[in-house]
Amino acid sequence: RKEVEQDPGPFNVPEGATVAFNCTYSNSASQSFFWYRQDCRKEPKLLMSVYSSGNEDGRFTAQLNRASQYISLLIRDSKLSDSATYLCVVNEWSGYSTLTFGKGTMLLVSP
Amino acid sequence: DGGITQSPKYLFRKEGQNVTLSCEQNLNHDAMYWYRQDPGQGLRLIYYSQIVNDFQKGDIAEGYSVSREKKESFPLTVTSAQKNPTAFYLCASSIGGQGKEQYFGPGTRLTVT
Repeated sequence: RKEVEQDPGPFNVPEGATVAFNCTYSNSASQSFFWYRQDCRKEPKLLMSVYSSGNEDGRFTAQLNRASQYISLLIRDSKLSDSATYLCVVNEWSGYSTLTFGKGTMLLVSP
Repeated sequence: DGGITQSPKYLFRKEGQNVTLSCEQNLNHDAMYWYRQDPGQGLRLIYYSQIVNDFQKGDIAEGYSVSREKKESFPLTVTSAQKNPTAFYLCASSIGGQGKEQYFGPGTRLTVT
């Protein structure tokens, strides 16, 4: 069974802190990887794709370790508006593209 | 504005009634998906469609049905056979093909009493 595991949190951090989330996935044939952000009672929104070489978008850095089947998200200089649940998402391809979602890690940034 | 719309935002039904949730997209995406989210749970795939007039069951298709008569539209019917229909239902679309990200509509919260 395909699984994506995340620490549910919550991670409570002060503004300006650096915080890191990790995620592991079970299917070694997984093709692509994403981080989504979901605010309370809203739809998930794509935060960033995760590339094998690692990638950065402003204060956000994503890393992928295929050998360990491990994905990470680093947020620097946390803002109050970063408070949300962060979903680790893995894509499989078997003629059809489907996504498997982790249950999410909740982040609470306080003043 | 391009995007995915779902209606209604909130829906209340009595047990034993079928209900149809709407999902429309004007992104010209080939693939569309329906997910269900329960409190504290990850999203679970109900049905997906890669092209018009074709759809596949996801992990939890029992008690649900879909149609894909137009590229823009992928309605989901929650039938009376679905044992626990109260949930947050999310529709998504993607351009299709391997490894592509999906974009979500705002969701419909269905409550069945």
